[in-house]
Amino acid sequence: SQQGEEDPQALSIQEGENATMNCSYKTSINNLQWYRQNSGRGLVHLILIRSNEREKHSGRLRVTLDTSKKSSSLLITASRAADTASYFCATKMNNAGNMLTFGGGTRLMVKP
Amino acid sequence: DTGVSQNPRHKITKRGQNVTFRCDPISEHNRLYWYRQTLGQGPEFLTYFQNEAQLEKSRLLSDRFSAERPKGSFSTLEIQRTEQGDSAMYLCASSLQGFWEPQHFGDGTRLSIL
Repeated sequence: SQQGEEDPQALSIQEGENATMNCSYKTSINNLQWYRQNSGRGLVHLILIRSNEREKHSGRLRVTLDTSKKSSSLLITASRAADTASYFCATKMNNAGNMLTFGGGTRLMVKP
Repeated sequence: DTGVSQNPRHKITKRGQNVTFRCDPISEHNRLYWYRQTLGQGPEFLTYFQNEAQLEKSRLLSDRFSAERPKGSFSTLEIQRTEQGDSAMYLCASSLQGFWEPQHFGDGTRLSIL
């Protein structure tokens, strides 16, 4: 299936640093969600950004959306060891049916 | 909110056997989704229900896969004549009605085919 592409695939940082993850799709997108997945667990919804929003904040999370570039970014500020997880973007792609299409994910490791 | 529950957590079976997984969604959620996730990849959509109606199935879903949601509560996913390529994590999620409602995921059933 056609997935979004996330960049980088893996990221390792020290506690306290910021982490930025990017997500891009090949077809047009509108709204977009970000999810987190801890190892061996299910996904947890983090944030929804709508097509008419360019930036959205939630706690230490900042998400941007550029529908013209078909891309989004997730910034985690002042990272903590507990932020260690995989992060996925998800959106509805044109001509892909009524379903969420997830990106391949960024695996973030925050070292204490 | 007791969360989405999936059983079993792990299933090991021989190639060619049938397997069935169960998902109990959050009680007030009328939408239920099934996904497959392989190592290092994002979840891949399989099918979803609104109440008891199965509204969409992935074109990638083989005829060996079938899902049900009788009475619009719990759901089962059955795989017949399992193949090596079926080894994956099978995730269930539920949500309120509305495409952009947050999906709440269970911790999945990990299927290993010997």
